[in-house]
Amino acid sequence: AQKITQTQPGMFVQEKEAVTLDCTYDTSDPSYGLFWYKQPSSGEMIFLIYQGSYDQQNATEGRYSLNFQKARKSANLVISASQLGDSAMYFCAMLGGTSYGKLTFGQGTILTVHP
Amino acid sequence: GAVVSQHPSWVICKSGTSVKIECRSLDFQATTMFWYRQFPKQSLMLMATSNEGSKATYEQGVEKDKFLINHASLTLSTLTVTSAHPEDSSFYICSAATGTEIQETQYFGPGTRLLVL
Repeated sequence: AQKITQTQPGMFVQEKEAVTLDCTYDTSDPSYGLFWYKQPSSGEMIFLIYQGSYDQQNATEGRYSLNFQKARKSANLVISASQLGDSAMYFCAMLGGTSYGKLTFGQGTILTVHP
Repeated sequence: GAVVSQHPSWVICKSGTSVKIECRSLDFQATTMFWYRQFPKQSLMLMATSNEGSKATYEQGVEKDKFLINHASLTLSTLTVTSAHPEDSSFYICSAATGTEIQETQYFGPGTRLLVL
């Protein structure tokens, strides 16, 4: 069975500062992928970043980077230079090698960016 | 990037009626589509996996006779909520993927808000 845990129900950050959203996971699959999605109040799910379990380097996409610590089974999302438009719900998700495409989602973290 | 559309975006219906929600991949062929429901401030719950040309696979606890899923083509999947009741009111989201490998990004539709009166 796979499990994703996001322990921060809500986070606050000042505009232009960096913020880290935590995500830990558990799986017995040797191969897996980790994803982060952003869900603004409109409801759409926006793909942010992907990290494969065998990737040697941490994934980066613009202001988003994924701090992947395989031994600790953590895949934290770092957002640099926060913007007001970053205020949203953020979900960490995992796809295991035997999941047949089924994503397992964490509980989500509501990020609020203050001006 | 890949675009997935859903129609309608909002639907209000009377209890007992059926509602059909469409999910389309606009610029790619999706071998697999997924249907989720989401209650306010909660995570997404997978309802079923839909593969083109075959029967959908439902998650435990999801009534397949109530939530009918059809995946008629590589770009279209439909979810029909039959005899909808107020407890079916929720946000329904579909996603589409070109495959089921671990690196396959799922692209989500904008969602459909269903309110059953």
